[in-house]
Amino acid sequence: AQKITQTQPGMFVQEKEAVTLDCTYDTSDPSYGLFWYKQPSSGEMIFLIYQGSYDQQNATEGRYSLNFQKARKSANLVISASQLGDSAMYFCAMRGYSNDYKLSFGAGTTVTVRA
Amino acid sequence: NAGVTQTPKFRVLKTGQSMTLLCAQDMNHEYMYWYRQDPGMGLRLIHYSVGEGTTAKGEVPDGYNVSRLKKQNFLLGLESAAPSQTSVYFCASSQGQGTDTQYFGPGTRLTVL
Repeated sequence: AQKITQTQPGMFVQEKEAVTLDCTYDTSDPSYGLFWYKQPSSGEMIFLIYQGSYDQQNATEGRYSLNFQKARKSANLVISASQLGDSAMYFCAMRGYSNDYKLSFGAGTTVTVRA
Repeated sequence: NAGVTQTPKFRVLKTGQSMTLLCAQDMNHEYMYWYRQDPGMGLRLIHYSVGEGTTAKGEVPDGYNVSRLKKQNFLLGLESAAPSQTSVYFCASSQGQGTDTQYFGPGTRLTVL
C-alpha cells in the first residue's frame, strides 16, 4: 500500500522568501513517481513538478524545486522567491506499480504569502 | 487550449435524484479518472478508465457508475444521490499509466440536500 503524509496543515511565508513544504511517502515499489499540485482558491488542480524514483537529479521547474531524498522517502517542495499568487493549497501525490499506478494524494498544506 | 473540461460546474440535487457529470479531454489521452475532494482532504479516486470501453473501480466507488463510450469522454453517474456525496468532483486524464502526469479539469461542485 502507498501512503503520502503532509504534516504541515498551514504555513505563512513572507513575500520574496523561500518556503519548504514537507512530504513523506511510504511504498515498497521499486519504481514510482512523485508529483506536486497547486490548488488555488478558485479550485482547479495545477500540476507543478514531477520526480521519478530513478531520477538522479532533483527536479526543478522555474521557482519550484523538489528536494528528493530517496533513502528518507521524502519529496519536499521548495518554492523560491514567494509571490502573493503562490497562496494556495499544495498537494503531494504519488503513483506506483503496486497501486496500479493510481495517484494517491496527501492531505495538503495551505500556504499563505504575506506582503 | 481546452485540455480537460467538466460539465456542469455547479449542481444542487435532492436526495434520491440522479445526475451525470461529463468530462471531456482533447489531448487524445488513453487514461481518464474521476476523483472526489472533501474538506480538509486530498483527492480520492472513484473510478478510472485505461481506454475506450473500459472502466475500473478506484478507492471509493460505491454509489457511482461510469462509462467511457468514446475515448475523449468519461461520464460519472449518480443513480440515487445521497448527502454523503456532497463534494467537489474532479476529472483527470493522462497519456499512459506509470508515472505519466495527470491533468485535471476545473471541478464540479455538487451539493446533495
